Amino acid sequence: AQTVTQSQPEMSVQEAETVTLSCTYDTSENNYYLFWYKQPPSRQMILVIRQEAYKQQNATENRFSVNFQKAAKSFSLKISDSQLGDTAMYFCAFMSGYGGSQGNLIFGKGTKLSVKP
Amino acid sequence: GAVVSQHPSWVICKSGTSVKIECRSLDFQATTMFWYRQFPKQSLMLMATSNEGSKATYEQGVEKDKFLINHASLTLSTLTVTSAHPEDSSFYICSARAPRRGGIGYGYTFGSGTRLTVV
Repeated sequence: AQTVTQSQPEMSVQEAETVTLSCTYDTSENNYYLFWYKQPPSRQMILVIRQEAYKQQNATENRFSVNFQKAAKSFSLKISDSQLGDTAMYFCAFMSGYGGSQGNLIFGKGTKLSVKP
Repeated sequence: GAVVSQHPSWVICKSGTSVKIECRSLDFQATTMFWYRQFPKQSLMLMATSNEGSKATYEQGVEKDKFLINHASLTLSTLTVTSAHPEDSSFYICSARAPRRGGIGYGYTFGSGTRLTVV
């Protein structure tokens, strides 16, 4: 069974600085997808970034980028130029590439990020 | 695009009554929807996978008779909490696999969640 581990329950960062959130996962599969979701106080789940395991290039979305280390099964999220609006819970998630349309997400326990002014 | 609308956003009900939560895909067809439960300061736990036109698949430990799921059309899935008790109070979120774009999985889109309080 796949598992997702986020070892940092809480983190804080000063506005405009950079912060990295850690995520490791365990799977025996070679085809899968990884995601970072953000859940602000409104509790709406928002996709931040996703990575296909077959791609060696790290995904980037504006201020958000990942460091995907497939051999180490590590998938960290870097947030550059942190903004107050980045304050939220961040969840790392795994999806098997073999599940088709039925594949569900497996979530880590989350990291609560606070951006301080 | 790829919006999932979830209603109600919050509900308070008396112990012993039933509550229905609706989840609609507004601009795409969702053959599969997922229902999650989230306790305060915790992660999302998958309760069941809802498939259009067939029975839902429940995760281990989830009572299918308490949490009734109906996926009657390609755009609507409902979760009914039957005979609700205070321990059923939680945040419930639905999710659907959004359509692919250019052969790449578009990812999942989530409803805005329903906060259920049973008194």
